[in-house]
Amino acid sequence: AQSVAQPEDQVNVAEGNPLTVKCTYSVSGNPYLFWYVQYPNRGLQFLLKYITGDNLVKGSYGFEAEFNKSQTSFHLKKPSALVSDSALYFCAVRVWRDDKIIFGKGTRLHILP
Amino acid sequence: GAGVSQSPSNKVTEKGKDVELRCDPISGHTALYWYRQSLGQGLEFLIYFQGNSAPDKSGLPSDRFSAERTGGSVSTLTIQRTQQEDSAVYLCASSMGQGALNYGYTFGSGTRLTVV
Repeated sequence: AQSVAQPEDQVNVAEGNPLTVKCTYSVSGNPYLFWYVQYPNRGLQFLLKYITGDNLVKGSYGFEAEFNKSQTSFHLKKPSALVSDSALYFCAVRVWRDDKIIFGKGTRLHILP
Repeated sequence: GAGVSQSPSNKVTEKGKDVELRCDPISGHTALYWYRQSLGQGLEFLIYFQGNSAPDKSGLPSDRFSAERTGGSVSTLTIQRTQQEDSAVYLCASSMGQGALNYGYTFGSGTRLTVV
């Protein structure tokens, strides 16, 4: 069965520092990987995706994610964190021929001013 | 409409009562999904509709949960004989067919269900 793990419930980063939110996955078949963000009192928003091609994927708000097949990871990164990046981040995976997406439990990101 | 609309935004119900949650997807989106977001549990897949195909109900937690989608548009999630563990935010999303692959999902703002 496919699954997604986000090992950190919460990540704290000082503003201006680089941030990483970790995600690992387990699937049989080629994975399609996603990051979504949920800001306080707002709906879930699509951030970026990896389908195929370059392992480094760029998305909204300056975020990027690196697909690493050997480590089955898809960590979310940003070179310089902003206080406004504080939110709940979800990693998700979809397997070919299965049109539903499975989400991780989420990581709460706190950017400290 | 411009986005995925869910109603009500908040619902408080007594244990044992039935509730209906409504989702109005983006016009033209053929795929519709229901998820449940519980504290510390992330997003749990419940059910998925794609066009006229039989829905994927593999995520429904018990037979108290059911969903339908009328005319390929609006969907209703029904929870019968609600229990306190049903308290959660119920999220609906829609996409353009295989859009989960190409376009991602568009989520509604959710219905916060509290069972007292």
